Amino acid sequence: SQQGEEDPQALSIQEGENATMNCSYKTSINNLQWYRQNSGRGLVHLILIRSNEREKHSGRLRVTLDTSKKSSSLLITASRAADTASYFCATDNLAAGNKLTFGGGTRVLVKP
Amino acid sequence: AAGVIQSPRHLIKEKRETATLKCYPIPRHDTVYWYQQGPGQDPQFLISFYEKMQSDKGSIPDRFSAQQFSDYHSELNMSSLELGDSALYFCASSYGLAGGDTGELFFGEGSRLTVL
Repeated sequence: SQQGEEDPQALSIQEGENATMNCSYKTSINNLQWYRQNSGRGLVHLILIRSNEREKHSGRLRVTLDTSKKSSSLLITASRAADTASYFCATDNLAAGNKLTFGGGTRVLVKP
Repeated sequence: AAGVIQSPRHLIKEKRETATLKCYPIPRHDTVYWYQQGPGQDPQFLISFYEKMQSDKGSIPDRFSAQQFSDYHSELNMSSLELGDSALYFCASSYGLAGGDTGELFFGEGSRLTVL
């Protein structure tokens, strides 16, 4: 099974609403990152939260990390149609060497 | 600012043929990662290089090989192609292992391989 698994797999919301997605992982991590991917395009880094941090903000993004539950959430506030994309969490974990391991992704559709 | 450049962007091959994908990292980045993403799937790590040496290996088939050259560009060679190799292949780069101080990987736009 994957290191990072996301929930929900798909999310459809109206513009202006908040979007929340969750990610779970299995092993100890150095950090957890969120990436965004427009359809068929490359992944773009959004935010990184380190294992000793619990919450981080960047613009309309808010990330939480609960290492006791091995889970993270990404909140996008006041969503816009341009936020329509797939969002992946990725972990840099101590046992997996020098790479990021991606989760299954949440497809977010923001309707205007 | 310069980004990660991948070529070709699209490639169509027949089964059992070979394909080579190229990746040019951001200038001064010394680490390159290759990922494979099937339709509707998450990116799967294949292999990475740091300072021209293999640093980590993931689910890369034996039919695939890769290397990083003296100018830090990398090539992914795929032989005896199978239908299941059809995917988007992403290259990412960073300064330092595991994304270096920032942990961030910078991704190219990907090479879409279609095997017929």
